[in-house]
Amino acid sequence: QVQLVQSGAEVKKPGASVKVSCKASGYTFTSYAMHWVRQAPGQRLEWMGWINAGNGNTKYSQKFQGRVTITRDTSASTAYMELSSLRSEDTAVYYCARDVVDVSIAVADAPGWFDPWGQGTLVTVSS
Amino acid sequence: VIWMTQSPSLLSASTGDRVTISCRMSQGISSYLAWYQQKPGKAPELLIYAASTLQSGVPSRFSGSGSGTDFTLTISCLQSEDFATYYCQQYYSFPVAFGQGTKVEIK
Repeated sequence: QVQLVQSGAEVKKPGASVKVSCKASGYTFTSYAMHWVRQAPGQRLEWMGWINAGNGNTKYSQKFQGRVTITRDTSASTAYMELSSLRSEDTAVYYCARDVVDVSIAVADAPGWFDPWGQGTLVTVSS
Repeated sequence: VIWMTQSPSLLSASTGDRVTISCRMSQGISSYLAWYQQKPGKAPELLIYAASTLQSGVPSRFSGSGSGTDFTLTISCLQSEDFATYYCQQYYSFPVAFGQGTKVEIK
């Protein structure tokens, strides 16, 4: 079955960077896009960005533009999200989630709904 | 950017109740709307997509309706396992966005 397994919890100091991985299995990795979503404690879900795992195209939320980089390693069926210049407000659970659109047949980069989600990675930013 | 207003933020209900959650868009999105359920400490799970299509394995007491700017998630007969937080999500265009969430708690 389709499964996304994320890397473990991280503790970082303000100003540092964090890189979270999301290993996919159970499907052809390059046929689907991957989203990254975060959730601060007690807060709503917040979309950060998207990568077309087939061609590597990315789209980012304007809020994180310049601080977030989403990449993928097709040989490892893994997507990555790196967030730089961390501050305390970045303390959150970070999720990867697979888009349902088959990008190998899509005519344009467009989002779909998310299924499934990874288990989440807690990133704590503290001095 | 499409703005979303989800209401109510908190809903107190009893087992067996019928509950309704609303999601309103700042502009029309046709039927490009999904609903997710999230339980404490867990990742969200897909309930409904395309505004009204039930994800495989989701109980039929869940239903979705609406198109354009106004959407509704209904739970026809609340069960104990349904006490959770629910989010709507628009995927009509980038940036994807989520509603504020509705926590369904035991009355």
